[in-house]
Amino acid sequence: GNSVTQMEGPVTLSEEAFLTINCTYTATGYPSLFWYVQYPGEGLQLLLKATKADDKGSNKGFEATYRKETTSFHLEKGSVQVSDSAVYFCALSDRSNAGNMLTFGGGTRLMVKP
Amino acid sequence: GAVVSQHPSWVICKSGTSVKIECRSLDFQATTMFWYRQFPKQSLMLMATSNEGSKATYEQGVEKDKFLINHASLTLSTLTVTSAHPEDSSFYICSAFGPRGDEQFFGPGTRLTVL
Repeated sequence: GNSVTQMEGPVTLSEEAFLTINCTYTATGYPSLFWYVQYPGEGLQLLLKATKADDKGSNKGFEATYRKETTSFHLEKGSVQVSDSAVYFCALSDRSNAGNMLTFGGGTRLMVKP
Repeated sequence: GAVVSQHPSWVICKSGTSVKIECRSLDFQATTMFWYRQFPKQSLMLMATSNEGSKATYEQGVEKDKFLINHASLTLSTLTVTSAHPEDSSFYICSAFGPRGDEQFFGPGTRLTVL
């Protein structure tokens, strides 16, 4: 079956530090990959996505590249801000699974200190 | 656009009672909605897929008689936790496919505490 593994948190960084949150996946088909962000007290929001190998998703300074050879989709940001403090979820959607249901990783809490 | 709301945002109930949680798509119609459960510091686990006008599809291990789902209109799905027990305490999140049908939009979640 499908699964997503991401690094455990919390990740604590100082403002303007470089961020990497690792994510690897296992899928039977050709999945689309996503990063969602959950700010305190809010629902999940789509941060970025990539639908095929070598695609790079980007949004709000965050980037992730779909690496089929390493089955990875690591999230990166060059300079984090306090406002980036949130929980980040890596997820996949297997196109072979009708309905595009999502499989989530365990989530990684990011805390950015001023 | 594509806003999903949930009500209530939090609820406390006594063991043995039933609790209904509503999920609404505010500015679009959603033929398919999803219900997730999130334990503290853990990921979202899909409970069921709710289809307008038909029975919900439950994931393996989810008791359909305990977690009743009704998707009676294109903008509303409800999850009723029947005869709630403390182990049902959790964060329940719904989502819906947006107007283009290729992205899920999530509600803010409902925190249920069963005493």
